[in-house]
Order: sequence, then structure tokens, then C-alpha cells
Amino acid sequence: EPEVTQTPSHQVTQMGQEVILRCVPISNHLYFYWYRQILGQKVEFLVSFYNNEISEKSEIFDDQFSVERPDGSNFTLKIRSTKLEDSAMYFCASSVTTGVMETQYFGPGTRLLVL
Amino acid sequence: AQKVTQAQTEISVVEKEDVTLDCVYETRDTTYYLFWYKQPPSGELVFLIRRNSFDEQNEISGRYSWNFQKSTSSFNFTITASQVVDSAVYFCALRGNNAGNMLTFGGGTRLMVKP
Repeated sequence: EPEVTQTPSHQVTQMGQEVILRCVPISNHLYFYWYRQILGQKVEFLVSFYNNEISEKSEIFDDQFSVERPDGSNFTLKIRSTKLEDSAMYFCASSVTTGVMETQYFGPGTRLLVL
Repeated sequence: AQKVTQAQTEISVVEKEDVTLDCVYETRDTTYYLFWYKQPPSGELVFLIRRNSFDEQNEISGRYSWNFQKSTSSFNFTITASQVVDSAVYFCALRGNNAGNMLTFGGGTRLMVKP
């Protein structure tokens, strides 16, 4: 069964460094998402992406964040200058469509630790 | 604004007991979609079910059943004859038809099934 994959599974970085989290969505899916989950808290929406542009973003998704689909398979989340509070599990998700038939399928997550 | 409340932060049961996880939601949209996801100790988010607001039929899948009550804005999840492998955090989520593509998650309920 097709699934969303994410790399790396864990990343440790120093405050102020740039990180890139990578995701390979399910191949026939057209909508891509990033969510984050701070340890022990709820899952929060960051951004959605369709047709090579951001379709929606939350207040969390500030200028430090960017997303890109550099080729036909990868979908990346970049954090330009990490802060301690960026430490979280980051989930990528994808869906075929939106609306009635939409289900977002999530990847296994990347656990980011900022020191 | 959308909101999902899972009042039970933690539930502990003994194997073979039935358990119900509560989910109450708020949305101004007349069409919306409700989801349950499971997060096992390994951390990934596993899709369990989607329910559309215009379909109030309850659903049963093996030991899992879902009770959608539009009148009380609730979408509860019952596991019958619980097993140790059911131990996980369970998240209820909502997407309003006019709220873009973002999923709004509840705070999750940690279910511990003891042998």
C-alpha cells in the first residue's frame, strides 16, 4: 500500500541553523501538507500546498518557514533559523483531492530537536 | 472558527474491556468532515475513519465503531474487547468545508490497555 515517507526520522540541530525536512507524498496525490506536534501537545496545521503554491498557512508558518516541491516527488519544509521552540515532531501529509473524498494520509514524522 | 475537544486526556482499561473515546466539535460550516487518527508509541499518525457531516450513519469496523451525533456535535469512538495493541493516543480531527484544507485536531486521548 502506498505511503508517505519522511526523512530524516530524527534531526538534532543548533539554534540558528537551517534545517530541511523532506517528504515524499503518495504518488498520485495532489495536495500536500505540513503539521507539527510539540511534545505532548495536539497536532497543529502549518501549511498546505497545491499546484506548486501555498494554498493556506497558519499563524505558526511565519517568514522563517518555507515549502518547496523541487521535483516531481519531493516536498520539503525549510526552517531558516531554528529556535528552541521549533523542537517538535513534524508530519507531512498528502491527499488526492479535497472535499467530500478527501483523506489526509500522514507520514511517520521527523522529530526535530533544537539545542 | 473550528474547535475539537477531547475531554478525556488519559484512559486506562484492562484488556477485553470496552472503551469509548469522546469527541465534541464546533464549527460554523454546515458541511464538514470528521476524522479519527491513531498515534501508537512509534509516533506515526494512522488514519482510522472519515465521516462526512451529511452522512449520519454509524459505522462498525471489526472491534471499532463510531457514533456520530450531529444534534450533540459529537463523534465518539468505541473499541470493544480492547487489546494491548490498542494502546495509543487517539486524535479526533475536523475540517470545515469553508475552512480551507486544514485539519483541526483535538488534544488527543491516551489509551492504555493493560493485560
